[in-house]
Amino acid sequence: DTAVSQTPKYLVTQMGNDKSIKCEQNLGHDTMYWYKQDSKKFLKIMFSYNNKELIINETVPNRFSPKSPDKAHLNLHINSLELGDSAVYFCASSRGGSTYNEQFFGPGTRLTVL
Amino acid sequence: GENVEQHPSTLSVQEGDSAVIKCTYSDSASNYFPWYKQELGKRPQLIIDIRSNVGEKKDQRIAVTLNKTAKHFSLHITETQPEDSAVYFCAASRWSSNTGKLIFGQGTTLQVKP
Repeated sequence: DTAVSQTPKYLVTQMGNDKSIKCEQNLGHDTMYWYKQDSKKFLKIMFSYNNKELIINETVPNRFSPKSPDKAHLNLHINSLELGDSAVYFCASSRGGSTYNEQFFGPGTRLTVL
Repeated sequence: GENVEQHPSTLSVQEGDSAVIKCTYSDSASNYFPWYKQELGKRPQLIIDIRSNVGEKKDQRIAVTLNKTAKHFSLHITETQPEDSAVYFCAASRWSSNTGKLIFGQGTTLQVKP
């Protein structure tokens, strides 16, 4: 069974388009995250949700809008795509609680904006 | 702001040798320090982690040390094998409000030559 899954795996689109990436976890975790990995392999946190509530919102352009319909799903919608949005986007999840818990990453979505 | 510096950016060793990767963090409130391994085209996967109340942790050929005073932590891999070749990321996190964003280092590409 796949713990954290993302769709699509690859996404190629034109500048100015709007696209969505979906993430689902079957681990029963309360907290989900989106990370961006750029061409230099640098991983950076974008958002975090706990029980459908936005907890972390890093300085990400408001063209990026996360949505969590339930605690097993966290989707990422991107409006007006730009060349600089090309990257690999990773979803992750962890248990909530009072102490730190391991984050499990999805397989990633490679977004290419032409 | 929060920052994690990781060195070296690339590391090449002979099979059987040891490899050491070092990281320094800026947020003194960080309380959790995981290390992730990312193989080419794959997701980051946790290999070992350490909490701020522990100075050292070992798991078979992998060990991590933490110096809270210096805000420095290191990954040690002994008896390296070709399958250890990958990109390794250190991260620091301050857990609060049921979530903990990971601040990643820049990554170290480890090559183990047979």
